[in-house]
Amino acid sequence: QVQLVESGGGLVKPGGSLRLSCAASGFTFSDYYMSWIRQAPGKGLEWVSYISSSSSNTNYADSVKGRFTISRDNAKNSLYLQMNSLRAEDTAVYYCARGGIVGAIVFDYWGQGTLVTVSS
Amino acid sequence: SYVLTQPPSVSVAPGKTARITCGGNNIGSKSVHWYQQKPGQAPVLVIYYDSDRPSGIPERFSGSNSGNTATLTISRVEAGDEADYYCQVWDTSSDHGVFGGGTKLTVL
Repeated sequence: QVQLVESGGGLVKPGGSLRLSCAASGFTFSDYYMSWIRQAPGKGLEWVSYISSSSSNTNYADSVKGRFTISRDNAKNSLYLQMNSLRAEDTAVYYCARGGIVGAIVFDYWGQGTLVTVSS
Repeated sequence: SYVLTQPPSVSVAPGKTARITCGGNNIGSKSVHWYQQKPGQAPVLVIYYDSDRPSGIPERFSGSNSGNTATLTISRVEAGDEADYYCQVWDTSSDHGVFGGGTKLTVL
């Protein structure tokens, strides 16, 4: 069965950095687009970034562009999110989600999320 | 950027039909996906491409999309359907994912 397991969350000071990981299993990871989606405490869902199956295409929400970098290692079935220059408003649960084969479009499987708290 | 508008809350009695709307400019020309999120859990896809149901999702869940409004319909509502529901599209002009603000479904 499809499984996505995030890790790497924690408490970080404003201006700091953090790298999230998502370990995928139960499907051919290299065939699928992947995304990161976040949810601030008590708030709704916000799409953050996507990466194509071969890493040739990426895109970011305006709120994180220039600060976050998405990447993947298909040999390790892993997705990453490097987060730099973190701000208080980046505090959220971060989910990795599987997209489609031809595009990010719809998120059919989600991990359980990892909490990132940005606070001094 | 593309904006999706959902009512903050919808209430329905058990056994009745709940309809949750998602408004957007000419949303009928886009594919709409719906997610259910229960407290403390990750979202679950319940409707994709306007009206398709993933395996394991009850037939009570259905979707439609036309004009400026997409609708998630839950028939014969059960207590276990109480959750937050989010609509989502892919905005091809910006190549971004877009979520609605979410609707809290309360079963009376």
